[in-house]
Amino acid sequence: SSELTQDPAVSVALGQTVRITCQGDSLRSYYASWYQQKPGQAPVLVIYGKNNRPSGIPDRFSGSSSGNTASLTITGAQAEDEADYYCNSRDSSGNLVVFGGGTKLTVL
Amino acid sequence: QLQLQESGPGLVKPSETLSLTCTVSGGSISSSSYYWGWIRQPPGKGLEWIGSIYYSGSTYYNPSLKSRVTISVDTSKNQFSLKLSSVTAADTAVYYCARNIVATQYNWFDPWGQGTLVTVSS
Repeated sequence: SSELTQDPAVSVALGQTVRITCQGDSLRSYYASWYQQKPGQAPVLVIYGKNNRPSGIPDRFSGSSSGNTASLTITGAQAEDEADYYCNSRDSSGNLVVFGGGTKLTVL
Repeated sequence: QLQLQESGPGLVKPSETLSLTCTVSGGSISSSSYYWGWIRQPPGKGLEWIGSIYYSGSTYYNPSLKSRVTISVDTSKNQFSLKLSSVTAADTAVYYCARNIVATQYNWFDPWGQGTLVTVSS
């Protein structure tokens, strides 16, 4: 079982805003990173650190954190944002790496 | 532009050892700022971190796999490798290598290799 918990599935209407969450005790001490994975492709980093986007990631992607919950927000979701999203951080000990179970985002 | 590429057998027999290599290009594996990691994904399931290694050879592993995993680095070839022993069908997965950035409050993987499917079957 993962120490990071994500909702299995979330849907959003085209052009609307969606928040994907990741919960875990370790998130009180460590920032989450977020990955987008489309079918048959490797994961791609979309958010890291406090709220940083790698080069090439649209600014509609943003990250935030409060207490034991990290969030990935997509403001104005596009059809191409339909994918699986995974959070990643350290575990509670800080010594190991954990991934959330993933959230399947459907853009309606 | 940093690129990573996994290589190794796509089919391994049960009880044998899975061996994969990740070749890093466009940058040095000996950079003092980075670890290098292995992550796997069983078909239709989520991501599982296997372990990471520093260029000096320092490693840290997923406790659930630690007894069967060895990750090593060859700086002369700009490669790092994964060995997973006593494999079963449950080890069938796409295996990814990735650069692992580790800092006081942060951990992330970027970039990732394209992944390689390893099937455990007789």
